[in-house]
Amino acid sequence: EPEVTQTPSHQVTQMGQEVILRCVPISNHLYFYWYRQILGQKVEFLVSFYNNEISEKSEIFDDQFSVERPDGSNFTLKIRSTKLEDSAMYFCASSDEETGSGANVLTFGAGSRLTVL
Amino acid sequence: QKEVEQNSGPLSVPEGAIASLNCTYSDRVSQSFFWYRQYSGKSPELIMSIYSNGDKEDGRFTAQLNKASQYVSLLIRDSQPSDSATYLCAVDATTDSWGKFQFGAGTQVVVTP
Repeated sequence: EPEVTQTPSHQVTQMGQEVILRCVPISNHLYFYWYRQILGQKVEFLVSFYNNEISEKSEIFDDQFSVERPDGSNFTLKIRSTKLEDSAMYFCASSDEETGSGANVLTFGAGSRLTVL
Repeated sequence: QKEVEQNSGPLSVPEGAIASLNCTYSDRVSQSFFWYRQYSGKSPELIMSIYSNGDKEDGRFTAQLNKASQYVSLLIRDSQPSDSATYLCAVDATTDSWGKFQFGAGTQVVVTP
């Protein structure tokens, strides 16, 4: 079964350092997303991406965050200068049609756990 | 502020019994509703999607949607120990937001042998 692949599975970084989390969405999917889940809290939407541009972003997704699709297969989330409160599990997801159409849903990757010290 | 509310649990269910989970949402224009299962430390895994009022059955799972009352529920029949997990209700908040889900905090289900 096709899956969304994320690397690294766990990253430990020092506060203020830049972090790049990588995702390989399902190959025929067109829509890409990042969500995060702080330990013990809700899964939260960060950003959606379609046709090489951001479709929507949440209030969490400030200037410290950026996303990129550098080639035909990878989708990355960059955090420019990490803060302690960025410690969370970051989930990449993809879908092949606009959600709400009744036809498709998000498939999540296994997640990248980010620990900021 | 758009909200998705769930009872946090834990909901203790004897093996073989029915687990009943509820979810309410605040955004009346929401069109798409999903139940995800999340094991501890793992990613959300889709159980059911539902878009129209009424019931939708898939194996041991039945989702029920009532847009007038703004609630969606999930029934798990013949509960198994492997069903022990946190169940997340997710709502696609508006028709023009692509994949911008609002998640509930989840209901922890514990199936006891």
